[in-house]
Amino acid sequence: GENVEQHPSTLSVQEGDSAVIKCTYSDSASNYFPWYKQELGKRPQLIIDIRSNVGEKKDQRIAVTLNKTAKHFSLHITETQPEDSAVYFCATGGYNQGGKLIFGQGTELSVKP
Amino acid sequence: DAGVTQSPTHLIKTRGQHVTLRCSPISGHKSVSWYQQVLGQGPQFIFQYYEKEERGRGNFPDRFSARQFPNYSSELNVNALLLGDSALYLCASSNDRHNEQFFGPGTRLTVL
Repeated sequence: GENVEQHPSTLSVQEGDSAVIKCTYSDSASNYFPWYKQELGKRPQLIIDIRSNVGEKKDQRIAVTLNKTAKHFSLHITETQPEDSAVYFCATGGYNQGGKLIFGQGTELSVKP
Repeated sequence: DAGVTQSPTHLIKTRGQHVTLRCSPISGHKSVSWYQQVLGQGPQFIFQYYEKEERGRGNFPDRFSARQFPNYSSELNVNALLLGDSALYLCASSNDRHNEQFFGPGTRLTVL
């Protein structure tokens, strides 16, 4: 069945270091891969997304890479700041999935000053 | 521009009761999706509505239903509430079925 595995579940880094979160998925028909940031008690916020015709996308300190052959994609945050601390979710979507996004289990990122 | 809005913010119900949650999408967006987020987990897809028709349904029992109105706002209804229905219910807005989904603040439902 459809499944998205996300690792690690928790990640602690020092301010200024880089953070990497990885996701693997099972449905080869997936062609849309968004990442959401959710701060405590707040809504998930779309921070970056990538489609299957692109291998990498960057937006300032955030980048996402996609390997469709291996069915995995990753979020890279450089020069981390304390305000990056939150839970990050990866998700997959596709034209054949009726608008459904399938989410990973989340990664709690803690950036220590 | 106003973002996605949801009401109510919090709700407390008892087992067996019925609940209606409401969502207004971003102006110009025609698609609304509903998700359930249990504490410590990622959101789980319940429904998607596009142009007032159901376009997708997740693995939830028939106690869950939804509809979309001519102004593209939406309601999620849950009948015969169970303790396990306690969760944050999120509404997401999109300008079509396959593009970026933007979430509302959610409704925190507690079933006692």
